[in-house]
Amino acid sequence: NAGVTQTPKFQVLKTGQSMTLQCAQDMNHNSMYWYRQDPGMGLRLIYYSASEGTTDKGEVPNGYNVSRLNKREFSLRLESAAPSQTSVYFCASSEPHEPFATNEKLFFGSGTQLSVL
Amino acid sequence: GQSLEQPSEVTAVEGAIVQINCTYQTSGFYGLSWYQQHDGGAPTFLSYNGLDGLEETGRFSSFLSRSDSYGYLLLQELQMKDSASYFCALPIRGATNKLIFGTGTLLAVQP
Repeated sequence: NAGVTQTPKFQVLKTGQSMTLQCAQDMNHNSMYWYRQDPGMGLRLIYYSASEGTTDKGEVPNGYNVSRLNKREFSLRLESAAPSQTSVYFCASSEPHEPFATNEKLFFGSGTQLSVL
Repeated sequence: GQSLEQPSEVTAVEGAIVQINCTYQTSGFYGLSWYQQHDGGAPTFLSYNGLDGLEETGRFSSFLSRSDSYGYLLLQELQMKDSASYFCALPIRGATNKLIFGTGTLLAVQP
């Protein structure tokens, strides 16, 4: 049981280059998320998808775009990478959402370490 | 707005008990969660408190006081493998299944 799979694990970009981070989950979860983690900053939500075909901005969406390709896959795109986007990126998914459910348990992928030079 | 505060580092010895505190600010409380992260790896869910009181899961317990906007994670019988970062997390107001995380507490367990 793979859980949440992210690719690539490491990436180095030059300023202005573009790339897409891939994420797939095999747990039949409706909700998927992209977080970034910087030293001393904890995890910050970039974008969120409640279900296939829907996306929503999180705390730090500027400079990113997302696509919920189907129920399994949620990709994050950097159109023009900047040094400020150097970070570790985590994808996560959670239990099927029910109205007013609050005990969300997120399952995280192993992360993508991105450096923008 | 919403925010969470945790101590940045805590040190304890093997076999001891340690408490990691979390204070929060939010309107419309929807629960406090705890996650563990080893050395930059994938965070993993530990515990959730929706109501006041103590939730116990093996050596780990989590406590919540909504009137004090305060919670803590209690780790008993510490083991070296418990050395990790611990994060408390809150649902974003108006979107209960989007979590915001505290900045994390790095726990160092010493022999």
